Amino acid sequence: ETGVTQSPTHLIKTRGQQVTLRCSSQSGHNTVSWYQQALGQGPQFIFQYYREEENGRGNFPPRFSGLQFPNYSSELNVNALELDDSALYLCASRRETNYGYTFGSGTRLTVV
Amino acid sequence: GNSVTQMEGPVTLSEEAFLTINCTYTATGYPSLFWYVQYPGEGLQLLLKATKADDKGSNKGFEATYRKETTSFHLEKGSVQVSDSAVYFCALSDQPGGSEKLVFGKGMKLTVNP
Repeated sequence: ETGVTQSPTHLIKTRGQQVTLRCSSQSGHNTVSWYQQALGQGPQFIFQYYREEENGRGNFPPRFSGLQFPNYSSELNVNALELDDSALYLCASRRETNYGYTFGSGTRLTVV
Repeated sequence: GNSVTQMEGPVTLSEEAFLTINCTYTATGYPSLFWYVQYPGEGLQLLLKATKADDKGSNKGFEATYRKETTSFHLEKGSVQVSDSAVYFCALSDQPGGSEKLVFGKGMKLTVNP
C-alpha cells in the first residue's frame, strides 16, 4: 500500500483567490474526509465523501467544496480565500466502516 | 455537540519518565475513542483506539482505557523515549447522518529530553 499522498505540500495564495488541494488515496479507500488544522489547534472536520457523494459536512461555508473521483483521488476547493483559511489541510481515507483512517501529511496553505 | 477536552501542554519530560495525558469527552451514545500522534512535519498517525467501555488500547508501550463512568480516555506510557517527542491528539468518532467524522482535542506537544 502506498499510503495517502497530498499535493502540493506548501502553497501561498492571495486573499480572494481560489485554490485546489489534491489527495491520492490507497486503492479501495472509498471514504475520504478533509480536515482543517489551524496552528496550535486540533483538526476540524470539513466534509466527507463516500463513493463520490458528499455524505457529511462540518461547520464550513459553501465556498469550501470537494470532489471524489473513481480512481480514489479527491480534491478540496476553496473559493474567495480569506486570511483565516491559512492552515494545514489534511486528507484522510479508509475502506469500509470500522477500518481506521489513514492520514496524509497535509498541505500547508498560507493566505496573504 | 460531541467534544473532547485534553491537556494542552506543552510538556517537557526527561527520558524514561512516566507520561500521562488526560483526555475527557462529551458525547451522546457510545463513540469510539482514539489517540493520534503527529510528528514534526507529518500528518496524523493512529496510535491506539478503543471501541467500547472498558476496552484498553495499546501500542508502542502506550496504553489508554475507555472509561465510560468518568468519560475519560487517558494516555499513559511507563517510560518515554526521545523518539516519543510529538503532538498527541485525543479524538472520538461521531456519526452525523450516517457519515463518520473525528472530533479532536486541541493536542498536547510533548518534548522528551535525553
